[in-house]
Amino acid sequence: QKEVEQDPGPLSVPEGAIVSLNCTYSNSAFQYFMWYRQYSRKGPELLMYTYSSGNKEDGRFTAQVDKSSKYISLFIRDSQPSDSATYLCAMPQTGRRALTFGSGTRLQVQP
Amino acid sequence: KAGVTQTPRYLIKTRGQQVTLSCSPISGHRSVSWYQQTPGQGLQFLFEYFSETQRNKGNFPGRFSGRQFSNSRSEMNVSTLELGDSALYLCASSLGGRGVHSPLHFGNGTRLTVT
Repeated sequence: QKEVEQDPGPLSVPEGAIVSLNCTYSNSAFQYFMWYRQYSRKGPELLMYTYSSGNKEDGRFTAQVDKSSKYISLFIRDSQPSDSATYLCAMPQTGRRALTFGSGTRLQVQP
Repeated sequence: KAGVTQTPRYLIKTRGQQVTLSCSPISGHRSVSWYQQTPGQGLQFLFEYFSETQRNKGNFPGRFSGRQFSNSRSEMNVSTLELGDSALYLCASSLGGRGVHSPLHFGNGTRLTVT
């Protein structure tokens, strides 16, 4: 079993829809939670960065962490075709400066 | 501020050869990390350098090595290439200070194809 599990998709939604992207993890030591967005032929770019449980909002994006369930989510409101990308969750590994990534969910927003 | 720059963008090599990839971090960033991205395994951590010293290492064979120069630029070397080394190699930089984990900023990668 991988430390971080993420549905690979693809997830196809119409423009304007609310998108929910999710990851589960098994390591209870994870403290920080990140979401990266990766466009085709580009490197991942950091979208959201949260610490501990709760919600964090940034424009159309909301990151949610439920440490009791080891479950994190990224919500995208009013989705746009420009949101079409692969979304990766990531968590810092315990004791060393490295990230464990989920496999990524490919999102397609249809105009 | 310029982002992380990786060169070259694309490389085609033959099995058994070696390859060197280059990474220039964001100005002021002292930590450089390398990741391998493949469709099957996703993003996997290779190693991290800080102030010219390898600070962390992932679970890759010794054929994968790296170094960091005094200006924080980094190179990654893969010797005796195998077909399975075909991947997107991503470099990421961060402030890298102790304590709080500093977010990684990625370059656009070097696409290596081994034939």
